[in-house]
Amino acid sequence: EDKVVQSPLSLVVHEGDTVTLNCSYEVTNFRSLLWYKQEKKAPTFLFMLTSSGIEKKSGRLSSILDKKELFSILNITATQTGDSAVYLCAVHGSGNTGKLIFGQGTTLQVKP
Amino acid sequence: EAQVTQNPRYLITVTGKKLTVTCSQNMNHEYMSWYRQDPGLGLRQIYYSMNVEVTDKGDVPEGYKVSRKEKRNFPLILESPSPNQTSLYFCASSSYDSANRYFGPGTRLTVT
Repeated sequence: EDKVVQSPLSLVVHEGDTVTLNCSYEVTNFRSLLWYKQEKKAPTFLFMLTSSGIEKKSGRLSSILDKKELFSILNITATQTGDSAVYLCAVHGSGNTGKLIFGQGTTLQVKP
Repeated sequence: EAQVTQNPRYLITVTGKKLTVTCSQNMNHEYMSWYRQDPGLGLRQIYYSMNVEVTDKGDVPEGYKVSRKEKRNFPLILESPSPNQTSLYFCASSSYDSANRYFGPGTRLTVT
């Protein structure tokens, strides 16, 4: 059965800390891995990764994929209170049904 | 503005009273889907549609119906809601060859 597992499930840090969020997967016919940020509303897109070892970066956020070990990490440096959110990892696989399989999410709280 | 809209945003109803949650997108996307989000379980797909008149079950379809008579609309129907369908619901769309989903704002449903 296809599955995506995120860790930790929740995390509390202070402003300025660096955090690493993990996502491991077992998915048939892997096509891509996506990260979303959810702040009490709809998830918003952060990154899509398709190739191993190529870092995607946007400001203080970065992400990388390891297709051999079947995981991805999302790094956030110099965290701010505005980074507080649920971070969702999703994997696109399963042939041509276009299905996205989501992990449980990691709830990040950044304290001032 | 490219967007996915859902209505209503909040709904409290009673067991057995049929309801419909509407979803509409203005991006001419072929692919549309419905998810429910419950604490600790992430986003789980209810139904999806690859195009007009083409729909299929996701992971948790029991108790739900959908239709896709027009490309832009994908309503979710609960014929006889039960308390275990209390959840946060998201509609999402994407172009056929894209993994990234555009999410609607969410509908918080409470069934008493």
